[in-house]
Amino acid sequence: EVQLLESGGGLVQPGGSLRLSCAASGFTFSSYAMSWVRQVSGKGLEWVSGISGSSTYYADSVKGRFTISRDNSKNTLYLQMNSLRGEDTALYYCAKWRSHYLDYWGQGTLVTVSS
Amino acid sequence: EIVLTQSPGTLSLSPGERATLSCRASQSVSSNYLVWYQQKPGQPPRLLIYGASTRATGIPDRFSGSGSGTDFTLTISRLEPEDFAVYFCQQYGNSPLFTFGPGTKVDIK
Repeated sequence: EVQLLESGGGLVQPGGSLRLSCAASGFTFSSYAMSWVRQVSGKGLEWVSGISGSSTYYADSVKGRFTISRDNSKNTLYLQMNSLRGEDTALYYCAKWRSHYLDYWGQGTLVTVSS
Repeated sequence: EIVLTQSPGTLSLSPGERATLSCRASQSVSSNYLVWYQQKPGQPPRLLIYGASTRATGIPDRFSGSGSGTDFTLTISRLEPEDFAVYFCQQYGNSPLFTFGPGTKVDIK
């Protein structure tokens, strides 16, 4: 059974940093691309970043501030978030990326940016 | 950037009725890379349909997807109580890689 477990969210001041983690199990992690998607308080979904092989991809809204990475030896995906802004406040999901879709999602970790 | 518009915003129906949800793209969606997800309160999105019309593993056959180009439809043939939820469409492109529609809420009439 595929499981994705996010952690690392919390309250941070504007301009601060956080690192999110996503522990994966139930599939061969190193063989699949992965993504981060965020959702503001039960509203719409916004794709944030993806990693496929050695290639990384970012939404314009986070480019230059967020860095996606993975450690295949630990079956873990990361999202380093710097220079955080109020508009980054959201529930952050990690998701397994296949072709043009996201077939499994974690339960999410909440990031709140506020002073 | 392709923008997705979903209609209606809310669909109020009774169990057993047919639901028809629309997703319209501002430009043609390449290779029919159009996807549908279902989300219930407090849960992450669940993959329903990919490639515009292929059901994901374990998805009941009352869910069907159709369409091409800029107009896509998700149909739920007979609503079951567990189908009342929010449905998002998503397209895959160049930049950004994934774009989501604003969602359609299917609620109980």
